[in-house]
Amino acid sequence: SQTIHQWPATLVQPVGSPLSLECTVEGTSNPNLYWYRQAAGRGLQLLFYSVGIGQISSEVPQNLSASRPQDRQFILSSKKLLLSDSGFYLCAWSVPGLVAGELFFGEGSRLTVL
Amino acid sequence: GQNIDQPTEMTATEGAIVQINCTYQTSGFNGLFWYQQHAGEAPTFLSYNVLDGLEEKGRFSSFLSRSKGYSYLLLKELQMKDSASYLCAVSDSNYQLIWGAGTKLIIKP
Repeated sequence: SQTIHQWPATLVQPVGSPLSLECTVEGTSNPNLYWYRQAAGRGLQLLFYSVGIGQISSEVPQNLSASRPQDRQFILSSKKLLLSDSGFYLCAWSVPGLVAGELFFGEGSRLTVL
Repeated sequence: GQNIDQPTEMTATEGAIVQINCTYQTSGFNGLFWYQQHAGEAPTFLSYNVLDGLEEKGRFSSFLSRSKGYSYLLLKELQMKDSASYLCAVSDSNYQLIWGAGTKLIIKP
């Protein structure tokens, strides 16, 4: 069976510090991978998605970046965090080739920037 | 612009039935999803509608009317564990998911 895991679950970071969130998927090959951010009272905001190694599409211009160094690994990074980066970050995967497929989410990472 | 509207919060009684509505205006339509999200947790998939009509899955049903840009999620025989947020999402012409802000459902004994 397929599983998705992301970490860390929670982190508190000062403004201007770097960020690295990691996500790995097991049990499937070449998944579509996504990073979302969820702010209180707002819908999920797609940040990045990837259909393959090294292929990253950015949906929102910001100080965040994403990388996919391996088929089932997706990393969200920032060189310098802003207060507005606080939120609940979710990694997700979907079956490759299904254009309107179900998303499977990781446990989420709650980031507080102080 | 693209927009998904759903009520912010609803309250219902254990054992009762509740209907959560979702209206959408998107550039194109390739299906509508409902997800359940418990506080502090990740969303989990509930249903997918791409054709008009009702899809039933146990205590949960989801309805779609494409001509009206409207869907609802129907929860029967409510249990305390159904207390959660329910997210409506539409796949647009580019197969990107547009998400509503979610409806927080509070179940009272």
